[in-house]
Amino acid sequence: GAGVSQSPSNKVTEKGKDVELRCDPISGHTALYWYRQRLGQGLEFLIYFQGNSAPDKSGLPSDRFSAERTGESVSTLTIQRTQQEDSAVYLCASSLAGTNTGELFFGEGSRLTVL
Amino acid sequence: GNSVTQMEGPVTLSEEAFLTINCTYTATGYPSLFWYVQYPGEGLQLLLKATKADDKGSNKGFEATYRKETTSFHLEKGSVQVSDSAVYFCALSDRTSQGNLIFGKGTKLSVKP
Repeated sequence: GAGVSQSPSNKVTEKGKDVELRCDPISGHTALYWYRQRLGQGLEFLIYFQGNSAPDKSGLPSDRFSAERTGESVSTLTIQRTQQEDSAVYLCASSLAGTNTGELFFGEGSRLTVL
Repeated sequence: GNSVTQMEGPVTLSEEAFLTINCTYTATGYPSLFWYVQYPGEGLQLLLKATKADDKGSNKGFEATYRKETTSFHLEKGSVQVSDSAVYFCALSDRTSQGNLIFGKGTKLSVKP
């Protein structure tokens, strides 16, 4: 596909379980971003990749959150031992380079519900 | 730290009405400013941007002017259409953020025929 693809689109899990969210960026985009959007809140930055390295992990809210990226391709965001406050829409975006051009291309998000 | 504040929604307008969505920011240095839009069932997409003071970004009939003196980037459209119904996000990036954007909470716009 031409756009950023995220899966699953919806995930319902029980408290304490681990979840993996996947992002396929646009081909050729070297920069990849993960954001979280809680109900009624703005987008909260989580982590940024340039290639497969993560120069900015400052937004990860706790050590239960981790992310990896294979080359300049797929990224996985993993949340271990999920808590109810992790319920949110997780958005992935990619761009041609990690510069301040501001044009990020977003996927439709993965909605996570922790019961 | 850097932040963006935009007006709370939802905003409901009739078709052909004038739209203003307020956005103000707090930032060190000289950020670039953006408006993103999220149509129902779609991902966020860039609507317009401005990279320096007094720049005006425009697209699809929407405009926003980068006002450094008032630290604002208000979104305006002279005549809205039903198809403009969406959530609008104001955002900024600065030279230290490596492309990371700081977003406002979003404003939902509903346009009635």
